[in-house]
Amino acid sequence: EAQVTQNPRYLITVTGKKLTVTCSQNMNHEYMSWYRQDPGLGLRQIYYSMNVEVTDKGDVPEGYKVSRKEKRNFPLILESPSPNQTSLYFCASSLSNGYGYTFGSGTRLTVV
Amino acid sequence: KNEVEQSPQNLTAQEGEFITINCSYSVGISALHWLQQHPGGGIVSLFMLSSGKKKHGRLIATINIQEKHSSLHITASHPRDSAVYICAVGNTDKLIFGTGTRLQVFP
Repeated sequence: EAQVTQNPRYLITVTGKKLTVTCSQNMNHEYMSWYRQDPGLGLRQIYYSMNVEVTDKGDVPEGYKVSRKEKRNFPLILESPSPNQTSLYFCASSLSNGYGYTFGSGTRLTVV
Repeated sequence: KNEVEQSPQNLTAQEGEFITINCSYSVGISALHWLQQHPGGGIVSLFMLSSGKKKHGRLIATINIQEKHSSLHITASHPRDSAVYICAVGNTDKLIFGTGTRLQVFP
């Protein structure tokens, strides 16, 4: 089944403790992206990747890192999480930007 | 002013009613997407449009490129259509999202 798999689904962590949210797709998509969703603000792009080893900042990249060493994986790294990074996070992939998107199931992160 | 505006923000309907959700945008785009987000949080892509009209079951999406406007219609609405509907516009490297329309359909 074609899908984008995010892990974990839920995560509660403490301020400053490094964490990684994984994202993997099995559709050989070139384009992958991370978004956060906050009440009243909607979905906002954090980082995106047009292909392996090609990443770029979205609208809200501060406090986040990404890497794209393989086509299928695009992990989101929070080196030192803070409470303002409490949010619902989505990974998505697409054949290339401009084509239809497939979204992961989301990761609800709470930083205390 | 947001680059993508949706209206209405909230919508309630009786089962069977015809529903229209509107999306206006102010940027150049390569495609417009309609997404559905159920209460559990998952997001599903409904349509991708670059011109004209698309239909899938009871859902119809239209776009007017000159007016920078799109509509999502639901015919014969059903309680299972209750969800947040999100318009997103795509350009060369990103999607820009509207804040969504929360639809509740009552039996």
